[in-house]
Amino acid sequence: DAKTTQPPSMDCAEGRAANLPCNHSTISGNEYVYWYRQIHSQGPQYIIHGLKNNETNEMASLIITEDRKSSTLILPHATLRDTAVYYCIVRVAGAGGSYIPTFGRGTSLIVHP
Amino acid sequence: DAGVIQSPRHEVTEMGQEVTLRCKPISGHDYLFWYRQTMMRGLELLIYFNNNVPIDDSGMPEDRFSAKMPNASFSTLKIQPSEPRDSAVYFCASRPTSHKETQYFGPGTRLLVL
Repeated sequence: DAKTTQPPSMDCAEGRAANLPCNHSTISGNEYVYWYRQIHSQGPQYIIHGLKNNETNEMASLIITEDRKSSTLILPHATLRDTAVYYCIVRVAGAGGSYIPTFGRGTSLIVHP
Repeated sequence: DAGVIQSPRHEVTEMGQEVTLRCKPISGHDYLFWYRQTMMRGLELLIYFNNNVPIDDSGMPEDRFSAKMPNASFSTLKIQPSEPRDSAVYFCASRPTSHKETQYFGPGTRLLVL
């Protein structure tokens, strides 16, 4: 799996967009970018994933640079409940259902009033 | 669906005692994972099962740790004998084969070994 680098912590004002960066300069052509988050005292929760196109769902948007060496998770209108540790993971989503996410240290996002 | 169920939610025990953690995956999910989370090491995969068969146990720290999945709706993680360094939050997760990216985590068991 390609290694990812994330800032250890960030903060954001409630109602503003939270932009969480992730560097994955060694990513290979068949590796996807996944994002999970972990709210305090809960298990991790899948957010979104993508290969090379930008993706959007009800939780967030994922912007992947053209060279795929970095990406940004965007929470368009952060709320206090978005305070969590956000994990960026790069992994091959191969056939056979064998994908296992490997979690690093992540970014601790604090959303303040 | 109730989601992944883990029990107990909290466990306090003394060094040397046997500890058994339990997990009920979401019905229909054929993959089950056990993770351990500590401040020092973050979230680590211990072992995972596919259709009740252990596939990869390379993350199991020592022979003191063992995991079983006797049927599709139940798994255990046992530590015998327990040590203070085993203190952590243990998460169980499950997913179906068709959704490779979406693991569903349980609430975790917070274990303290004195």
